[in-house]
Amino acid sequence: ETGVTQSPTHLIKTRGQQVTLRCSSQSGHNTVSWYQQALGQGPQFIFQYYREEENGRGNFPPRFSGLQFPNYSSELNVNALELDDSALYLCASSLALPPYEQYFGPGTRLTVT
Amino acid sequence: AQTVTQSQPEMSVQEAETVTLSCTYDTSENNYYLFWYKQPPSRQMILVIRQEAYKQQNATENRFSVNFQKAAKSFSLKISDSQLGDTAMYFCAFAYGGSQGNLIFGKGTKLSVKP
Repeated sequence: ETGVTQSPTHLIKTRGQQVTLRCSSQSGHNTVSWYQQALGQGPQFIFQYYREEENGRGNFPPRFSGLQFPNYSSELNVNALELDDSALYLCASSLALPPYEQYFGPGTRLTVT
Repeated sequence: AQTVTQSQPEMSVQEAETVTLSCTYDTSENNYYLFWYKQPPSRQMILVIRQEAYKQQNATENRFSVNFQKAAKSFSLKISDSQLGDTAMYFCAFAYGGSQGNLIFGKGTKLSVKP
């Protein structure tokens, strides 16, 4: 069984740039959720993808967008980067069924300067 | 709106002793799920234990157990025989069907296990 993987591990971008983060879901999982974890905080839900469709969104602006591919891997795109976007971005995969256990990847540390 | 509160930002415990981490939540849902996740310094979030709200019996996983008080909306984690490898951030999280299972996290408790 392959776990959740994310790339890249670290990324440094300049304010105003765009960034794409990638996630491969755990084998057998059809749902991917993305979370933003600011330093010293709990993760905040960004959005979820189920069968290539957005299936729920947290309180994040439209410049945060995503995709899910037929193999259930996913991308998170952030446009017009702001300093406050600096955070650890976590991807989690799951089945869209109770008890909704989510399995997390190691995260991508994004620094915006 | 659902909220999760962890009132202990930091805790420490001696190796081999027992420690309890607190979590309270607020919801009007009746069918939901509660989780404790561990995030070691290497940062990968690991599921520790899960509790279904419809189950009265408290969940246990080896040295980890919960005290689930549904009426009080309380969900504490007890770690017995603490080990150095238990040093981590611990997050309490909540999910329900109406949210497609998306997790609402508390702010976390930093646990240090001292030799």
